[in-house]
Amino acid sequence: QVQLQESGPGLVKPSETLSLTCAVSGYSISSGYYWGWIRQPPGKGLEWIGSIYHSGSTYYNPSLKSRVTISVDTSKNQFSLKLSSVTAADTAVYYCARDTGIGGDFDYWGQGTLVTVSS
Amino acid sequence: QSALTQPASVSGSPGQSITISCTGTSSDVGSYNLVSWYQQHPGKAPKLMIYEGSKRPSGVSNRFSGSKSGNTASLTISGLQAEDEADYYCCSYAGSSRVFGGGTKLTVL
Repeated sequence: QVQLQESGPGLVKPSETLSLTCAVSGYSISSGYYWGWIRQPPGKGLEWIGSIYHSGSTYYNPSLKSRVTISVDTSKNQFSLKLSSVTAADTAVYYCARDTGIGGDFDYWGQGTLVTVSS
Repeated sequence: QSALTQPASVSGSPGQSITISCTGTSSDVGSYNLVSWYQQHPGKAPKLMIYEGSKRPSGVSNRFSGSKSGNTASLTISGLQAEDEADYYCCSYAGSSRVFGGGTKLTVL
């Protein structure tokens, strides 16, 4: 069974960089698929942030592209998100998920982690 | 890219059928039969219910079905049950992007 688990600070100061990691178990990232990040502000809908292929190719939401970096560490079977210059608008539950790629769907999800941007 | 358009809410009585629409553009929904649907209960992660427009993952009830016409995709839930009450989101493949809908709250009366 594929399992994903997000980890990282729950509180980030404005203008700083948000950093999260997603540990994958039950499947080797090196075997394929894309791996994505999705966020959900409190009480609002889902927003795709970006996805990365196991080879390192990345695809980002155009509205966030200038601030987002997604990377993969196949040796640790994990992938990471960095979002720079955060503001209160970046406060959200951040989910990592397996992105099937050509289908554009997310079949396995982490439980999500709340990141609050506040001084 | 703009979010796909979904009704804010729909409701139905147990046993009835409901349909949730998801309207996009010729750049996303209209260009690919690659819309997925997610169910999200409060405080939980989304769950994939339909992928590639009309396919159901293993374990998902056949009461859930998906379809598409033009730039609009639809999710139909038949034989409504109390546990179907949740938020539902559509998501479309859009080349190198993915775009979600704003979400629809389903209330089972």
